[in-house]
Amino acid sequence: SQQGEEDPQALSIQEGENATMNCSYKTSINNLQWYRQNSGRGLVHLILIRSNEREKHSGRLRVTLDTSKKSSSLLITASRAADTASYFCATAWAGNTGKLIFGQGTTLQVKP
Amino acid sequence: DVKVTQSSRYLVKRTGEKVFLECVQDMDHENMFWYRQDPGLGLRLIYFSYDVKMKEKGDIPEGYSVSREKKERFSLILESASTNQTSMYLCAVEASGSFYEQYFGPGTRLTVT
Repeated sequence: SQQGEEDPQALSIQEGENATMNCSYKTSINNLQWYRQNSGRGLVHLILIRSNEREKHSGRLRVTLDTSKKSSSLLITASRAADTASYFCATAWAGNTGKLIFGQGTTLQVKP
Repeated sequence: DVKVTQSSRYLVKRTGEKVFLECVQDMDHENMFWYRQDPGLGLRLIYFSYDVKMKEKGDIPEGYSVSREKKERFSLILESASTNQTSMYLCAVEASGSFYEQYFGPGTRLTVT
């Protein structure tokens, strides 16, 4: 399977703390993306990091990519109750235009 | 951003019925996707389309077909619904010119009884 794996499967933290979730994948990639899904809703694109990038920031989000280890991490700083959601990584394969491979997700609960 | 709408949020159908799930985008993007999402299995690609009347099977196409007669509309068809097709169905559109970023509809939760 080319599917990514995410770690941890579930994470519970207090508001104001940082949340870190990790994603590993198996193939060479064009880019890696992170999505958020609120309960019972569709996915929302958060951030994309290309294979030649090592770190990217967007607001309270920080993504790192280590292509030698085939892994990525998503850090959410100063978490809020509204960040409670499931987070998925998705990889775009090199040479496989359009299709994304999604990980199984990390469920984040931020307690007020 | 692309706005993606799906015809129903919740749907209940009987075994053996033919089911149509519709997805509509408000722009002119070429690539559209249908996924199903099940607990513990993540998102799995059923079919995708890269232009009008063009389609390609994903990882789990069995029991499904698709139709794309107009660029903005991509339909998923369950020819004869079965209970193991009870799931959340998500449609997505890839933004043309992006690095394969996808925009998702709100999802249809289908229950087959």
